[in-house]
Amino acid sequence: AQSVTQLGSHVSVSEGALVLLRCNYSSSVPPYLFWYVQYPNQGLQLLLKYTTGATLVKGINGFEAEFKKSETSFHLTKPSAHMSDAAEYFCAVSERGNNRLAFGKGNQVVVIP
Amino acid sequence: EPEVTQTPSHQVTQMGQEVILRCVPISNHLYFYWYRQILGQKVEFLVSFYNNEISEKSEIFDDQFSVERPDGSNFTLKIRSTKLEDSAMYFCASRPSRGTTYEQYFGPGTRLTVT
Repeated sequence: AQSVTQLGSHVSVSEGALVLLRCNYSSSVPPYLFWYVQYPNQGLQLLLKYTTGATLVKGINGFEAEFKKSETSFHLTKPSAHMSDAAEYFCAVSERGNNRLAFGKGNQVVVIP
Repeated sequence: EPEVTQTPSHQVTQMGQEVILRCVPISNHLYFYWYRQILGQKVEFLVSFYNNEISEKSEIFDDQFSVERPDGSNFTLKIRSTKLEDSAMYFCASRPSRGTTYEQYFGPGTRLTVT
Protein backbone atom coordinates (compact mmCIF):
# COMPACT_ATOMS: atom_id res chain seq x y z
CA ALA A 1 0.00 0.00 0.00
CA GLN A 2 1.13 3.52 -0.69
CA SER A 3 2.20 5.95 2.05
CA VAL A 4 3.66 9.44 2.42
CA THR A 5 6.08 10.95 4.91
CA GLN A 6 6.24 14.67 5.58
CA LEU A 7 8.61 15.70 8.33
CA GLY A 8 8.28 18.75 10.52
CA SER A 9 4.67 19.67 11.21
CA HIS A 10 5.42 23.41 11.47
CA VAL A 11 7.74 25.21 9.07
CA SER A 12 8.69 28.85 9.58
CA VAL A 13 10.09 30.83 6.68
CA SER A 14 10.98 34.48 6.31
CA GLU A 15 9.17 36.53 3.71
CA GLY A 16 11.26 36.43 0.51
CA ALA A 17 13.12 33.28 1.52
CA LEU A 18 12.99 29.87 -0.12
CA VAL A 19 10.13 27.58 0.80
CA LEU A 20 11.10 23.89 0.86
CA LEU A 21 8.68 21.21 1.99
CA ARG A 22 9.88 17.62 1.84
CA CYS A 23 7.78 14.65 0.79
CA ASN A 24 8.85 11.03 0.53
CA TYR A 25 6.53 8.31 -0.64
CA SER A 26 6.35 4.58 -0.90
CA SER A 27 4.46 2.86 -3.66
CA SER A 28 4.59 -0.58 -5.19
CA VAL A 29 3.77 0.77 -8.65
CA PRO A 30 4.57 4.06 -10.46
CA PRO A 31 2.69 6.69 -8.51
CA TYR A 32 0.67 9.76 -9.17
CA LEU A 33 1.86 12.50 -6.80
CA PHE A 34 0.07 15.61 -5.59
CA TRP A 35 0.55 18.64 -3.41
CA TYR A 36 -2.56 20.19 -1.90
CA VAL A 37 -2.84 23.44 0.08
CA GLN A 38 -5.44 24.27 2.70
CA TYR A 39 -6.16 27.83 3.73
CA PRO A 40 -8.11 28.45 6.95
CA ASN A 41 -11.75 27.36 6.72
CA GLN A 42 -11.33 26.18 3.14
CA GLY A 43 -11.06 22.83 1.39
CA LEU A 44 -7.95 21.18 0.02
CA GLN A 45 -6.86 22.93 -3.18
CA LEU A 46 -4.58 21.26 -5.72
CA LEU A 47 -1.23 23.05 -6.07
CA LEU A 48 0.36 20.72 -8.60
CA LYS A 49 0.58 17.10 -9.69
CA TYR A 50 2.95 14.63 -11.30
CA THR A 51 1.60 11.84 -13.47
CA THR A 52 4.03 11.05 -16.29
CA GLY A 53 6.59 12.88 -18.40
CA ALA A 54 8.59 15.85 -17.18
CA THR A 55 9.73 15.30 -13.63
CA LEU A 56 9.78 19.00 -12.74
CA VAL A 57 6.22 20.22 -12.50
CA LYS A 58 4.99 23.74 -11.99
CA GLY A 59 1.85 24.65 -10.14
CA ILE A 60 -0.14 27.62 -9.03
CA ASN A 61 1.21 30.55 -7.01
CA GLY A 62 4.82 30.03 -8.10
CA PHE A 63 5.24 26.58 -6.56
CA GLU A 64 7.03 23.70 -8.23
CA ALA A 65 8.01 20.16 -7.34
CA GLU A 66 10.40 17.58 -8.71
CA PHE A 67 9.73 13.87 -8.89
CA LYS A 68 12.86 11.87 -8.12
CA LYS A 69 12.21 8.19 -8.51
CA SER A 70 15.61 7.11 -7.17
CA GLU A 71 14.97 9.05 -3.97
CA THR A 72 11.20 8.33 -3.85
CA SER A 73 10.74 12.04 -3.26
CA PHE A 74 8.48 14.84 -4.44
CA HIS A 75 9.69 17.95 -2.63
CA LEU A 76 7.81 21.23 -3.01
CA THR A 77 9.64 24.53 -3.47
CA LYS A 78 8.96 28.19 -4.01
CA PRO A 79 11.88 30.59 -4.51
CA SER A 80 10.44 33.51 -2.55
CA ALA A 81 7.81 33.20 0.18
CA HIS A 82 4.89 35.63 0.38
CA MET A 83 2.72 36.29 3.40
CA SER A 84 -0.16 34.76 1.44
CA ASP A 85 1.66 31.41 1.40
CA ALA A 86 0.82 30.84 5.06
CA ALA A 87 -1.31 27.69 4.98
CA GLU A 88 -1.15 23.95 5.51
CA TYR A 89 0.41 21.87 2.75
CA PHE A 90 -0.28 18.19 2.13
CA CYS A 91 1.59 15.74 -0.06
CA ALA A 92 -0.45 12.82 -1.39
CA VAL A 93 0.11 9.74 -3.51
CA SER A 94 -2.20 7.60 -5.57
CA GLU A 95 -1.19 4.30 -7.09
CA ARG A 96 -2.22 3.91 -10.70
CA GLY A 97 -5.46 2.01 -10.87
CA ASN A 98 -6.16 2.67 -7.20
CA ASN A 99 -8.92 5.03 -6.20
CA ARG A 100 -7.67 6.34 -2.94
CA LEU A 101 -5.25 9.13 -2.04
CA ALA A 102 -2.80 8.55 0.78
CA PHE A 103 -1.78 11.77 2.52
CA GLY A 104 1.15 12.90 4.58
CA LYS A 105 0.57 14.59 7.95
CA GLY A 106 0.92 18.04 6.43
CA ASN A 107 3.18 21.03 7.01
CA GLN A 108 1.83 24.19 8.59
CA VAL A 109 3.78 27.01 6.96
CA VAL A 110 4.23 30.25 8.86
CA VAL A 111 5.67 33.23 6.99
CA ILE A 112 7.59 35.71 9.12
CA PRO A 113 7.59 39.33 7.93
CA GLU B 1 -15.47 27.88 -10.97
CA PRO B 2 -17.42 24.79 -9.86
CA GLU B 3 -16.65 23.54 -6.37
CA VAL B 4 -17.57 20.83 -3.93
CA THR B 5 -19.78 22.04 -1.08
CA GLN B 6 -20.42 20.45 2.29
CA THR B 7 -23.00 21.02 5.00
CA PRO B 8 -22.98 21.64 7.85
CA SER B 9 -19.61 23.24 8.46
CA HIS B 10 -19.72 22.14 12.09
CA GLN B 11 -21.85 19.43 13.70
CA VAL B 12 -21.97 18.69 17.41
CA THR B 13 -23.66 15.48 18.50
CA GLN B 14 -23.90 13.24 21.52
CA MET B 15 -22.32 9.82 21.64
CA GLY B 16 -24.66 7.17 20.27
CA GLN B 17 -26.57 9.55 18.02
CA GLU B 18 -26.81 9.22 14.25
CA VAL B 19 -25.36 11.93 12.04
CA ILE B 20 -25.59 12.58 8.34
CA LEU B 21 -22.94 14.67 6.62
CA ARG B 22 -23.90 16.11 3.29
CA CYS B 23 -21.90 16.90 0.18
CA VAL B 24 -22.72 18.29 -3.24
CA PRO B 25 -19.98 17.15 -5.65
CA ILE B 26 -19.12 18.98 -8.86
CA SER B 27 -21.96 18.32 -11.26
CA ASN B 28 -20.27 16.36 -14.07
CA HIS B 29 -18.06 14.28 -11.77
CA LEU B 30 -18.62 10.55 -11.48
CA TYR B 31 -16.38 9.43 -8.60
CA PHE B 32 -17.08 10.48 -5.04
CA TYR B 33 -15.05 10.09 -1.86
CA TRP B 34 -15.06 10.65 1.87
CA TYR B 35 -11.93 11.26 3.89
CA ARG B 36 -11.48 12.25 7.50
CA GLN B 37 -8.79 13.96 9.55
CA ILE B 38 -8.62 13.45 13.28
CA LEU B 39 -6.98 16.43 14.96
CA GLY B 40 -3.20 16.20 14.64
CA GLN B 41 -3.30 13.16 12.37
CA LYS B 42 -3.18 12.42 8.65
CA VAL B 43 -6.07 12.81 6.26
CA GLU B 44 -7.38 9.23 5.92
CA PHE B 45 -9.37 7.65 3.11
CA LEU B 46 -12.75 6.25 4.12
CA VAL B 47 -14.65 5.24 1.00
CA SER B 48 -15.04 5.78 -2.73
CA PHE B 49 -18.29 5.57 -4.67
CA TYR B 50 -18.93 5.10 -8.36
CA ASN B 51 -21.96 4.13 -10.41
CA ASN B 52 -24.18 4.06 -7.33
CA GLU B 53 -22.08 1.64 -5.36
CA ILE B 54 -19.04 1.54 -3.14
CA SER B 55 -15.95 0.89 -5.23
CA GLU B 56 -13.44 0.79 -2.40
CA LYS B 57 -13.43 1.24 1.36
CA SER B 58 -10.81 1.36 4.06
CA GLU B 59 -10.64 -0.66 7.26
CA ILE B 60 -12.01 2.41 9.08
CA PHE B 61 -15.27 2.21 7.12
CA ASP B 62 -17.05 -0.40 9.23
CA ASP B 63 -20.74 -1.20 9.61
CA GLN B 64 -21.32 2.04 11.49
CA PHE B 65 -20.74 3.99 8.30
CA SER B 66 -22.79 4.14 5.13
CA VAL B 67 -22.86 6.32 2.03
CA GLU B 68 -25.65 7.20 -0.30
CA ARG B 69 -26.35 9.26 -3.37
CA PRO B 70 -30.05 9.88 -2.78
CA ASP B 71 -30.54 12.07 -5.83
CA GLY B 72 -28.54 13.44 -8.74
CA SER B 73 -26.66 15.99 -6.71
CA ASN B 74 -26.14 14.98 -3.07
CA PHE B 75 -23.68 12.49 -1.62
CA THR B 76 -24.07 11.66 2.07
CA LEU B 77 -22.08 9.96 4.80
CA LYS B 78 -24.08 8.48 7.67
CA ILE B 79 -22.63 7.41 10.98
CA ARG B 80 -25.20 5.27 12.74
CA SER B 81 -24.12 5.47 16.35
CA THR B 82 -21.37 8.00 16.90
CA LYS B 83 -18.42 7.39 19.20
CA LEU B 84 -16.05 9.88 20.77
CA GLU B 85 -13.32 8.72 18.38
CA ASP B 86 -15.45 9.74 15.37
CA SER B 87 -14.70 13.37 16.21
CA ALA B 88 -12.80 14.64 13.18
CA MET B 89 -12.93 16.84 10.10
CA TYR B 90 -14.71 14.99 7.29
CA PHE B 91 -13.87 15.91 3.71
CA CYS B 92 -15.88 15.06 0.62
CA ALA B 93 -14.15 14.92 -2.76
CA SER B 94 -15.12 14.22 -6.34
CA ARG B 95 -13.34 13.37 -9.59
CA PRO B 96 -14.31 13.34 -13.26
CA SER B 97 -14.62 10.14 -15.29
CA ARG B 98 -12.02 7.52 -16.09
CA GLY B 99 -9.10 8.61 -18.21
CA THR B 100 -8.20 11.47 -15.90
CA THR B 101 -5.19 11.57 -13.67
CA TYR B 102 -6.87 10.83 -10.35
CA GLU B 103 -7.01 14.49 -9.34
CA GLN B 104 -9.66 14.87 -6.68
CA TYR B 105 -11.52 18.08 -5.86
CA PHE B 106 -12.20 18.61 -2.17
CA GLY B 107 -14.89 20.40 -0.24
CA PRO B 108 -14.20 22.63 2.80
CA GLY B 109 -15.02 19.89 5.29
CA THR B 110 -17.46 19.28 8.11
CA ARG B 111 -16.07 19.36 11.62
CA LEU B 112 -17.82 16.67 13.65
CA THR B 113 -17.61 16.89 17.43
CA VAL B 114 -18.95 13.96 19.45
CA THR B 115 -19.51 14.67 23.14
